[in-house]
Amino acid sequence: SAVISQKPSRDICQRGTSLTIQCQVDSQVTMMFWYRQQPGQSLTLIATANQGSEATYESGFVIDKFPISRPNLTFSTLTVSNMSPEDSSIYLCSGLTGEAEAFFGQGTRLTVV
Amino acid sequence: EDQVTQSPEALRLQEGESSSLNCSYTVSGLRGLFWYRQDPGKGPEFLFTLYSAGEEKEKERLKATLTKKESFLHITAPKPEDSATYLCAVQAHSSTGKLIFGQGTTLQVKP
Repeated sequence: SAVISQKPSRDICQRGTSLTIQCQVDSQVTMMFWYRQQPGQSLTLIATANQGSEATYESGFVIDKFPISRPNLTFSTLTVSNMSPEDSSIYLCSGLTGEAEAFFGQGTRLTVV
Repeated sequence: EDQVTQSPEALRLQEGESSSLNCSYTVSGLRGLFWYRQDPGKGPEFLFTLYSAGEEKEKERLKATLTKKESFLHITAPKPEDSATYLCAVQAHSSTGKLIFGQGTTLQVKP
C-alpha cells in the first residue's frame, strides 16, 4: 500500500482568498491526482498532477482556479484560488501505485465563508 | 461515456444480516474496478481491486466479485463497525489512471 499525507486537514477561509493544500506521498506512487468531494456527493477528478509540467485538467476545471504543482515524484500542491462559498468541499489527493492501485489522503475539508 | 452506478443508495441492516451492494458500470475497456470504504470526515480507504470477470477477493466479512457489467460487494454477518459509505470506481485502459466513481452506498448496521 501507499502512504498519502495531506495538510491542512481542514480550514475555514474568507471568500476571495486562496488556500494551498499540500500532499506528500511515499516512493511507491507513480501518478498523483486531485479530487473534489462536495457535501453528500461522490468524488470528482479535478486534474492529474504531472511531474515537472502543467497538470492535466478535467472538463469543468481550469488552471487559473485550481493551479497545481508537482515539483518532484512525491509532492504536489493544489491551490483553490479566489474562493467562493461554492468551493466548500473536501479536496482529496490520490496516488497510484505501480500495481495500479489508488490510495487516498485523509482529505482537506474546506469551508468558505 | 464511462459511467458507474451504485445501488442501493442507502442500506440498513441488523447485525448479522448478510446482504450485497451492487456496482454497475459501462467503460471502454476495463483496466480495474475498485472498492473503497469511506468513514465520515475521512478519505476513502482502499479495499479491493478486481481486474477481470470471474475474479473474487475477500477481506474479513467482505467479498467482492466481478462480471462484465457489474460488481458486487457481499457483506457476511455485518457488525456495527462495518457502517460506512462504500464507493465503487472504475479505471479504463484508455485513461491515465484516473478513477470514475459511483455515488456510493451508505451502509448502517444496527446492533
